[in-house]
Amino acid sequence: DTAVSQTPKYLVTQMGNDKSIKCEQNLGHDTMYWYKQDSKKFLKIMFSYNNKELIINETVPNRFSPKSPDKAHLNLHINSLELGDSAVYFCASSRLGGGLETQYFGPGTRLLVL
Amino acid sequence: RKEVEQDPGPFNVPEGATVAFNCTYSNSASQSFFWYRQDCRKEPKLLMSVYSSGNEDGRFTAQLNRASQYISLLIRDSKLSDSATYLCVVNMDNTDKLIFGTGTRLQVFP
Repeated sequence: DTAVSQTPKYLVTQMGNDKSIKCEQNLGHDTMYWYKQDSKKFLKIMFSYNNKELIINETVPNRFSPKSPDKAHLNLHINSLELGDSAVYFCASSRLGGGLETQYFGPGTRLLVL
Repeated sequence: RKEVEQDPGPFNVPEGATVAFNCTYSNSASQSFFWYRQDCRKEPKLLMSVYSSGNEDGRFTAQLNRASQYISLLIRDSKLSDSATYLCVVNMDNTDKLIFGTGTRLQVFP
């Protein structure tokens, strides 16, 4: 049973396209996150949602729009993809917010923009 | 100064060796500290939380020095399966925001 799942696992697309990545967690957690890990392996938070409410928006370009239809899902839509968007995007969840709880990561979505 | 700094390594050690990693953080108000492990092309996974008094989990020992603002991880009796990148993670001000170091790569050889 996968705790945090993401689809797709790989995404190759052209510049200028719009794409979505989906994330689901079956852990019953209240808080979900999106992280970006670039080519230098630097992992940086993008967004955090607590029970469908946006908590953190880390100065991400507004081409990136997260959506949380319910607390088990946090999707990421990216408009007008750019070369610099190429990275691995990880979804994560934790039981509570506040940064005190373990965060469980999904397997990642490898995005390549050509 | 980076919020969380680690030596990227790689640390190449033989099986059975003891190896230690350090990490420094810039925000003296940080409250929560963790070590995560990330295998190649995999997601990060929690290795252990770091408590003020220091804590041990099997072959792994984590220490926190608040005065000097550094965290350490000691691995004893290294196994081949310990080969991975170890991420130092710090929470700022009890928000949801975790700051990840860039990781220290460990390679254990036979």
